[in-house]
Amino acid sequence: NAGVTQTPKFRILKIGQSMTLQCAQDMNHNYMYWYRQDPGMGLKLIYYSVGAGITDKGEVPNGYNVSRSTTEDFPLRLELAAPSQTSVYFCASSSTSGRWDEQFFGPGTRLTVL
Amino acid sequence: AQSVTQPDIHITVSEGASLELRCNYSYGATPYLFWYVQSPGQGLQLLLKYFSGDTLVQGIKGFEAEFKRSQSSFNLRKPSVHWSDAAEYFCAVGASDSNYQLIWGAGTKLIIKP
Repeated sequence: NAGVTQTPKFRILKIGQSMTLQCAQDMNHNYMYWYRQDPGMGLKLIYYSVGAGITDKGEVPNGYNVSRSTTEDFPLRLELAAPSQTSVYFCASSSTSGRWDEQFFGPGTRLTVL
Repeated sequence: AQSVTQPDIHITVSEGASLELRCNYSYGATPYLFWYVQSPGQGLQLLLKYFSGDTLVQGIKGFEAEFKRSQSSFNLRKPSVHWSDAAEYFCAVGASDSNYQLIWGAGTKLIIKP
């Protein structure tokens, strides 16, 4: 079982460039999440999804977009990269048996915007 | 607004010694409380959670945590740490009105002295 996979592991972007962070899970989880982790700070929720075709904003959605066309995949799009988006990004998923079920995390993507 | 405070940024403990990591939260009702661990270069993993009932919760890897409503705390403990416990530990709270969001503490980095 691969669990939650994220690509790429590392990326350097120039200001104004765009990119998509990929996330996939093979556990048939309906709930998926995108977080960012800044040094000395807790995780902040960017977007989440409760199922294919359903997404909603989290705490810090500005500058990001998501889509969820399948249960397995939940890509995160950065349209116009800014230095403030330099962070480590984590994707997570959880099952539908309960609202506060365990979240399973991917290994993260370290993004630097210069 | 809800918040989670982990007062210790770093803690250094000798191998075999006991460990207590502190977590305080602010929330009016009974919260849903979690401890996650992040090993170097990896995603987060759930250690334990508290929803209701017995205030002493057992988790994986020999960890336990105690919910104290009067102190708004959910401290994590382990009687004897191993070198493999070196990691960053995050406390989080979920609330019934938060739309699936977890509020995360900033984390405590545990360093193990041989």
